[in-house]
Amino acid sequence: DAGVTQSPTHLIKTRGQHVTLRCSPISGHKSVSWYQQVLGQGPQFIFQYYEKEERGRGNFPDRFSARQFPNYSSELNVNALLLGDSALYLCASSFVWDQPQHFGDGTRLSIL
Amino acid sequence: QKEVEQDPGPLSVPEGAIVSLNCTYSNSAFQYFMWYRQYSRKGPELLMYTYSSGNKEDGRFTAQVDKSSKYISLFIRDSQPSDSATYLCAMSALWETSGSRLTFGEGTQLTVNP
Repeated sequence: DAGVTQSPTHLIKTRGQHVTLRCSPISGHKSVSWYQQVLGQGPQFIFQYYEKEERGRGNFPDRFSARQFPNYSSELNVNALLLGDSALYLCASSFVWDQPQHFGDGTRLSIL
Repeated sequence: QKEVEQDPGPLSVPEGAIVSLNCTYSNSAFQYFMWYRQYSRKGPELLMYTYSSGNKEDGRFTAQVDKSSKYISLFIRDSQPSDSATYLCAMSALWETSGSRLTFGEGTQLTVNP
């Protein structure tokens, strides 16, 4: 069975641009969460979606938004990119909201 | 103060050694405890998942949770060069909104030398 898949793998943007990252959960998983991992640190929680509803939001500015589609895939959008947004963006899925989360390999975003 | 503290290492051991990795936490609401392994340029891979205090064993890996001391550990027996990676502890609490989030430690970089 396929694991969590994320696209694109790498992305280079400039300050002020907008980016959309995509995630397909493990088949049968209904919950998707997004995390930001800066080099040398543990992942930081951004959002959780379950059954297409936002269930939690981390301490990130309103420039960050997300949504979950009827097929349980998800998008993370970041507007007005800053240099500090350079990071590995990880998507994790779980069967339901309180079950173990399994991660994809992430999208590496570089802001120039 | 961080909710989860983890010694970042780096930790270097010879092949066959027993490795001990530890995290402490301050939030009493944490109920679920996990260890993830992350290879370079890869996403975290779930190794162990525990709910209650006590020990859980899976092959060469043993996870230990002590809720009274707010302390969790991961032991790796007979360590192999393939165990060389960053190990992340993670914890979660459940919300009334039917949500949860993982709070991670900083990660410990482990190298097992042949």
